[in-house]
Amino acid sequence: DIQMTQSPSALSASVGDRVTITCRASQSIGSWLAWYQQKPGKAPKFLIYKASSLESGVPSRFSGSGSGTEFTLTISSLQPDDFATYYCQQYDSDVWTFGQGTKVEI
Amino acid sequence: QVQLQESGPGLVKPSETLSLTCSVSGGSISSFYWSWIRQPPGKRLEWIGYIYESGSTNYNPSLKSRVSLSVDTSSNQFSLELTSVTAADTAVYYCARVVGGLFDFWGQGRLVTVSS
Repeated sequence: DIQMTQSPSALSASVGDRVTITCRASQSIGSWLAWYQQKPGKAPKFLIYKASSLESGVPSRFSGSGSGTEFTLTISSLQPDDFATYYCQQYDSDVWTFGQGTKVEI
Repeated sequence: QVQLQESGPGLVKPSETLSLTCSVSGGSISSFYWSWIRQPPGKRLEWIGYIYESGSTNYNPSLKSRVSLSVDTSSNQFSLELTSVTAADTAVYYCARVVGGLFDFWGQGRLVTVSS
């Protein structure tokens, strides 16, 4: 299986900060990467597909980049609603796998 | 807006079979792939498998010997069975719609605890 590793596992930030989360794949996955946001007790919410394409309705302060094995999720100006855990997911192989998550907290 | 809702027992005894159903509303189950994903407490999400309206399936090899997915298009539902469960199968189980390998709509999740 393709292993997905996120860094950091957690970060502290303030409203208005620029936040960057990295996701690395154990082998090249092209651009077949998605990002999700999960709040406590809730289902994940789909944010970004194909590494950099924003899902409809997702605020433009979210952006994704990267290809191959290294990807980033950036929140340009952190808002109170953005404090959550973020997961990357690869869908290049037949076995879809997730990163371990990055918790963004105050 | 597509909505998904998991249902089934929240407590299963070790060695028994875990059974969950996902009811889809706001859209047809036809023409899409549907998946189950689980999240053990404090751990990452794990994809379990997917099923198409035709009944064709693909399972995570780590669970393949114990998993079975089925679909009932007339009821707009699909289901999960996981046999011979242990405490390691304790998790929140989510159902989700699949589009091109990613998950665009999710259910709220169902906590299933394996304990005697």
